[in-house]
Amino acid sequence: AQSVTQPDIHITVSEGASLELRCNYSYGATPYLFWYVQSPGQGLQLLLKYFSGDTLVQGIKGFEAEFKRSQSSFNLRKPSVHWSDAAEYFCAVGPPNFGNEKLTFGTGTRLTIIP
Amino acid sequence: GAGVSQSPSNKVTEKGKDVELRCDPISGHTALYWYRQRLGQGLEFLIYFQGNSAPDKSGLPSDRFSAERTGESVSTLTIQRTQQEDSAVYLCASGLVIPYEQYFGPGTRLTVT
Repeated sequence: AQSVTQPDIHITVSEGASLELRCNYSYGATPYLFWYVQSPGQGLQLLLKYFSGDTLVQGIKGFEAEFKRSQSSFNLRKPSVHWSDAAEYFCAVGPPNFGNEKLTFGTGTRLTIIP
Repeated sequence: GAGVSQSPSNKVTEKGKDVELRCDPISGHTALYWYRQRLGQGLEFLIYFQGNSAPDKSGLPSDRFSAERTGESVSTLTIQRTQQEDSAVYLCASGLVIPYEQYFGPGTRLTVT
């Protein structure tokens, strides 16, 4: 069965510092990969997605993620965080075909930004 | 344009009562998904609609849970005889088959006392 692991439950980063959030997956084939952000009291917003091709994908709000097949990882990065980036981040995987985008989510990483 | 909306935003109910949660998807989105988010956990898939048919109900946790959708519009998730373990945030998402993006509503927080 497919699964997603986000090993860091909570990360604290200083404003302006770089950020990397880890995501590892277990799947029969290379799945489609996603990162979502959830701000307090709001629904999830898609940051970026990977289907195929270039393994470094750019997303919104200055985020990027790199797919590494050999490590079954899809880590999220940002060179310089802003206080507004404080939120919960979820990695998700989905079947590599269109027709039923049933996503499997990790348990999330809560990001705290300190001044 | 308007995003996905869900109502109510909060619902407190007594154990054993039935509840209905509503989702209004983005107009034109053919796909609709329900997820459950328990405290401190990731999202758990419940059910997927394509139009008004549900090709994947595999995530519904028990026969107390049911969902329906009217055409390519509103969907209702019904939980009968609620239990305390049903307490969670229920999230709805809508999208198009291509380009495989889901747009989430703000969720309904259900508390069963």
